[in-house]
Amino acid sequence: AQTVTQSQPEMSVQEAETVTLSCTYDTSESDYYLFWYKQPPSRQMILVIRQEAYKQQNATENRFSVNFQKAAKSFSLKISDSQLGDAAMYFCAYPPTGNQFYFGTGTSLTVIP
Amino acid sequence: AAGVIQSPRHLIKEKRETATLKCYPIPRHDTVYWYQQGPGQDPQFLISFYEKMQSDKGSIPDRFSAQQFSDYHSELNMSSLELGDSALYFCASSSRDSGNTIYFGEGSWLTVV
Repeated sequence: AQTVTQSQPEMSVQEAETVTLSCTYDTSESDYYLFWYKQPPSRQMILVIRQEAYKQQNATENRFSVNFQKAAKSFSLKISDSQLGDAAMYFCAYPPTGNQFYFGTGTSLTVIP
Repeated sequence: AAGVIQSPRHLIKEKRETATLKCYPIPRHDTVYWYQQGPGQDPQFLISFYEKMQSDKGSIPDRFSAQQFSDYHSELNMSSLELGDSALYFCASSSRDSGNTIYFGEGSWLTVV
């Protein structure tokens, strides 16, 4: 079975500081994608960043970057220069070759002014 | 850019009633997904369609059914509603041309009283 694990139910960060959210996954596939989604209080699911497993270079989107360790099946999200608007629930997601996304249980991020 | 459109945004039904949620995917997206997110939970996969055919099935109750129509819009039909069906229901769509990134609608809030 494919699973996604987020071991940090809650995290907090000071405004302007950097925080890293952890995610591990289990798969037998060699080529796949990994995603981080953000869910603010509005409950809308917003794509933050995407990583292609066959690319060794870590994906970056402005203040958001990932640390992808394929052998360790680890996919962490780093948020730099944290802003109040980054406060949200963050979900790591893995879509196997079938048409189904597996989500982690989420990490609730609080940004402290 | 066009996004995934869901309707209605809010719905209140009584126990044992029937509800229908509609979803209009992003144009040219060939896959539609339905997710259910209860309070404080991660999104749970219900069902997906690829090119109007059911492609994967998750934890969808037998009381629920879904289909995708010729114009690619999808409907989730929920019958004999129970209090536990109260949740946020997301529709999402993706295209294999976009690396299977799924884009979510804003969700439909269902409250069963």
